[in-house]
Amino acid sequence: AQSVSQHNHHVILSEAASLELGCNYSYGGTVNLFWYVQYPGQHLQLLLKYFSGDPLVKGIKGFEAEFIKSKFSFNLRKPSVQWSDTAEYFCAVTINQAGTALIFGKGTTLSVSS
Amino acid sequence: DAGITQSPRHKVTETGTPVTLRCHQTENHRYMYWYRQDPGHGLRLIHYSYGVKDTDKGEVSDGYSVSRSKTEDFLLTLESATSSQTSVYFCAINLEDGGNEQFFGPGTRLTVL
Repeated sequence: AQSVSQHNHHVILSEAASLELGCNYSYGGTVNLFWYVQYPGQHLQLLLKYFSGDPLVKGIKGFEAEFIKSKFSFNLRKPSVQWSDTAEYFCAVTINQAGTALIFGKGTTLSVSS
Repeated sequence: DAGITQSPRHKVTETGTPVTLRCHQTENHRYMYWYRQDPGHGLRLIHYSYGVKDTDKGEVSDGYSVSRSKTEDFLLTLESATSSQTSVYFCAINLEDGGNEQFFGPGTRLTVL
């Protein structure tokens, strides 16, 4: 069965610090990869996605992620975080078959202090 | 933009009572999902639907049933609510963009006393 592992449960940063959140998945076939963000009290929103092509994908609000197939990883990065990035971040994977549900990691809470 | 509404948005109920949560979409997407979100567990799939009257179980389906009599509505029923079903429930639709991107509704916060 597929699974997703997010290495950091809670990350605390100061504004302007760089961010990298780890995500690894277990599945040997073709996958689609996602990072979703959940701001306090809100629903999930898509940050970025990878389907195919360039393994470095750029999303909203200055986030990017790199798919490294050999490492089964899809780490999220941002060069300089802001207080408004305080949120919970979820990595998710699905196999490349129409209609397949997402498998989520357990989430990483990011707290940014101003 | 895809539109999803969930109702109710908040509900408090007692153990043993049946509860039905509704998810309504406005764009006739084929695939719909119910997830529950719990601290330390992320989101876990309860049930999903791949068309009218076509549903299947997810990872945590025990104690839940679903129905989809119309494309736009996907109902989740807790047959006899238990305290372990206290959670936030999210409905999602598959945007069918070739990559299974899902768009999420606003969620329903359910408390079972």
